[in-house]
Amino acid sequence: KAGVTQTPRYLIKTRGQQVTLSCSPISGHRSVSWYQQTPGQGLQFLFEYFSETQRNKGNFPGRFSGRQFSNSRSEMNVSTLELGDSALYLCASSLGPGAEQFFGPGTRLTVL
Amino acid sequence: AQSVTQPDIHITVSEGASLELRCNYSYGATPYLFWYVQSPGQGLQLLLKYFSGDTLVQGIKGFEAEFKRSQSSFNLRKPSVHWSDAAEYFCAVAEGGSNYKLTFGKGTLLTVNP
Repeated sequence: KAGVTQTPRYLIKTRGQQVTLSCSPISGHRSVSWYQQTPGQGLQFLFEYFSETQRNKGNFPGRFSGRQFSNSRSEMNVSTLELGDSALYLCASSLGPGAEQFFGPGTRLTVL
Repeated sequence: AQSVTQPDIHITVSEGASLELRCNYSYGATPYLFWYVQSPGQGLQLLLKYFSGDTLVQGIKGFEAEFKRSQSSFNLRKPSVHWSDAAEYFCAVAEGGSNYKLTFGKGTLLTVNP
């Protein structure tokens, strides 16, 4: 069974731009969570989606948003990029809320 | 709010030596506890988890962890480290039920000397 896939793997943007990251969960998984990883703040929870509904949200500004489609694939969007948004963005999928999460390889976003 | 502390930022051990990585958590109820490993440029791989029951849990790659409620700890151990174990290790805690989300520690970087 294929694992969690994230596209693109690497991305370079400039301040003020917006970006969309994609996550395809493991087949049959209906829950997708997003995390931001930076050297300073470590791993921080962004949000969780289940059955196309956001169930949980971390402490991030409104510039960070996401959505989930009927096939469970998820996207997250960051608008008006700031230098501090440079990070590894990890997606995790699970069968449902409370189930074991499986992580993808991440998308490395660099903001110049 | 729940939190996780990994007191050791960086640990160096010799190949074949034993390993213990420390993790302390703060959470009001019985937590769900996890250890993940991350190799450079990779995502996170689950090593083991504790939900309830036996406080000594076995994981993959020869790792084990012990849940000690009285000490709010969930330390990771391995009796004999291999060079391939060099990576960053993260302890995490989650609330259960409908409010499930992972809170991670800052990680411990493990270096293995030959």
